Amino acid sequence: KAGVTQTPRYLIKTRGQQVTLSCSPISGHRSVSWYQQTPGQGLQFLFEYFSETQRNKGNFPGRFSGRQFSNSRSEMNVSTLELGDSALYLCASFGSDYGYTFGSGTRLTVV
Amino acid sequence: AQKVTQAQTEISVVEKEDVTLDCVYETRDTTYYLFWYKQPPSGELVFLIRRNSFDEQNEISGRYSWNFQKSTSSFNFTITASQVVDSAVYFCALSDVDRDDKIIFGKGTRLHILP
Repeated sequence: KAGVTQTPRYLIKTRGQQVTLSCSPISGHRSVSWYQQTPGQGLQFLFEYFSETQRNKGNFPGRFSGRQFSNSRSEMNVSTLELGDSALYLCASFGSDYGYTFGSGTRLTVV
Repeated sequence: AQKVTQAQTEISVVEKEDVTLDCVYETRDTTYYLFWYKQPPSGELVFLIRRNSFDEQNEISGRYSWNFQKSTSSFNFTITASQVVDSAVYFCALSDVDRDDKIIFGKGTRLHILP
């Protein structure tokens, strides 16, 4: 099976900028969720989309947003970047076949 | 509220030793899933196992085994005859059976297998 694809793998941004991360789920999976991983906070749930609708949202500020397209691909956007947003951002797709499958992540560094 | 606790932050063992990673969880749900994931240095979370709360049978997969005890809310993971390639961060996690929209992760245990 083709896995979950996240692009880009690495990103360096400056404080105040915005960034968009992309996630392509496993073919046929309609649920995509996003997680932020930092050394201090561990893996934290950001939000989840199913059939283009956000079903659940974690405890993150409004600077973090996302969307899902009709082909189930999802994007996550972070505006007005802060140093604390530096993290590994992981995307997971869910389907009854393979359950949760995670991508390799996008490592964002804010300088 | 749901919570997963992995009390062991870091463990080091010599190759070929057995090692057990502890996981304790809290949930008010009567039905739930428990997971273990492995995260190698590449960053990807590799799925190891999913266990339904109804199924308390222990499971063995090669050198890996899992001990699920509902009475103590624990879901421990044992690696037998460890190998250097087992070095990684291991995460225990929990989700609601009826809602597949998010997983609650523990903080992870970093496992070092020394040659």
